[in-house]
Amino acid sequence: DTGVSQDPRHKITKRGQNVTFRCDPISEHNRLYWYRQTLGQGPEFLTYFQNEAQLEKSRLLSDRFSAERPKGSFSTLEIQRTEQGDSAMYLCASSRKGQVRTDTQYFGPGTRLTVL
Amino acid sequence: SQELEQSPQSLIVQEGKNLTINCTSSKTLYGLYWYKQKYGEGLIFLMMLQKGGEEKSHEKITAKLDEKKQQSSLHITASQPSHAGIYLCGPAPHQWGAQKLVFGQGTRLTINP
Repeated sequence: DTGVSQDPRHKITKRGQNVTFRCDPISEHNRLYWYRQTLGQGPEFLTYFQNEAQLEKSRLLSDRFSAERPKGSFSTLEIQRTEQGDSAMYLCASSRKGQVRTDTQYFGPGTRLTVL
Repeated sequence: SQELEQSPQSLIVQEGKNLTINCTSSKTLYGLYWYKQKYGEGLIFLMMLQKGGEEKSHEKITAKLDEKKQQSSLHITASQPSHAGIYLCGPAPHQWGAQKLVFGQGTRLTINP
């Protein structure tokens, strides 16, 4: 059973460029989450999918950010017109909706974005 | 919104020593997750506590949930270099479908050989 994978692991871009990150969840997991983590802070929730439906978006997810999960499997997170404040670690997690109130999220290794 | 405060924010201990990390919530805890993060990497799930008074252990790490005090403690016995990292706590959602995790800022643990 492979874990959550993210690609790329590191991305350096110039301000104003667009970037796209990919997340592949654990195969039988139907829930997928994106978080952002800045230095010295815990991860902050960005958005969450159940299958292909995007069910919740944080106010942190400005109109420059868009996430998709077209076939309910992998997901992409795109940032348009990047700003230096977007520099952070972007974490993806997945879980399986079960019969209990809460399910455990398993995280990928993250994509570290540096905007110059 | 619910806020988590972890203490201490950083901790340096000698290898072989015991240590405790605390996580306090501003609101009622219906359960709590503990994760560990190596610098620059993703989060590793350690354990989830669901009931007041529940205590779980994983290798040399033990965590307990005190619902009345709205806090959890994580205890490491006979610390090893492999225990070094950032420990993060996050409350379990209390509603069906509301699954986003809210984390404290973490406790950075350094183990000196």
